[in-house]
Amino acid sequence: GENVEQHPSTLSVQEGDSAVIKCTYSDSASNYFPWYKQELGKRPQLIIDIRSNVGEKKDQRIAVTLNKTAKHFSLHITETQPEDSAVYFCPDRRALTFGSGTRLQVQP
Amino acid sequence: EAGVAQSPRYKIIEKRQSVAFWCNPISGHATLYWYQQILGQGPKLLIQFQNNGVVDDSQLPKDRFSAERLKGVDSTLKIQPAKLEDSAVYLCASSPTTAYEQYFGPGTRLTVT
Repeated sequence: GENVEQHPSTLSVQEGDSAVIKCTYSDSASNYFPWYKQELGKRPQLIIDIRSNVGEKKDQRIAVTLNKTAKHFSLHITETQPEDSAVYFCPDRRALTFGSGTRLQVQP
Repeated sequence: EAGVAQSPRYKIIEKRQSVAFWCNPISGHATLYWYQQILGQGPKLLIQFQNNGVVDDSQLPKDRFSAERLKGVDSTLKIQPAKLEDSAVYLCASSPTTAYEQYFGPGTRLTVT
């Protein structure tokens, strides 16, 4: 089965700093790499995703990079703001496993 | 576009009682998921439907949980009998097909006392 490992489990940054969360996968056939954000008490929401035919995708302060050779993809948040505080998940491509995610805390 | 609808939003029951949750996915979405999210953990997939067929139910506790998707649209998830450890938020999500963005409903918060 597919396995995705996410690091770190918790991340605390100062407002305005950058944050990077990394996920490593094992299935070479993986071709879809999503990132979900879940704020406290709310539902998970997709914030960005990438397919295997591109190496990077940006949306304002958020970007995802994909390294197919090393089998990892990363979420980059620049100029972090308090509203970025949430748990971030990188589920496997079939969305069978979300794991425990990364709890990001942005300190004002 | 209307989102994924779920009901009820909250439910409190005693252990050994039964409970049912309902989900109406986004129109046209073939794939429907039910997740259980225990406080402090990520969503855990219980069952995945593609149209009205089950794709994966390997993590569904089949001795007490059951789910169906009527005519490939609405879905219900039932727990009978409930245990204390079933206290969680039950999330329904849908997507056009697999390996695409999932749209989550607001969830049903179940408390078993």
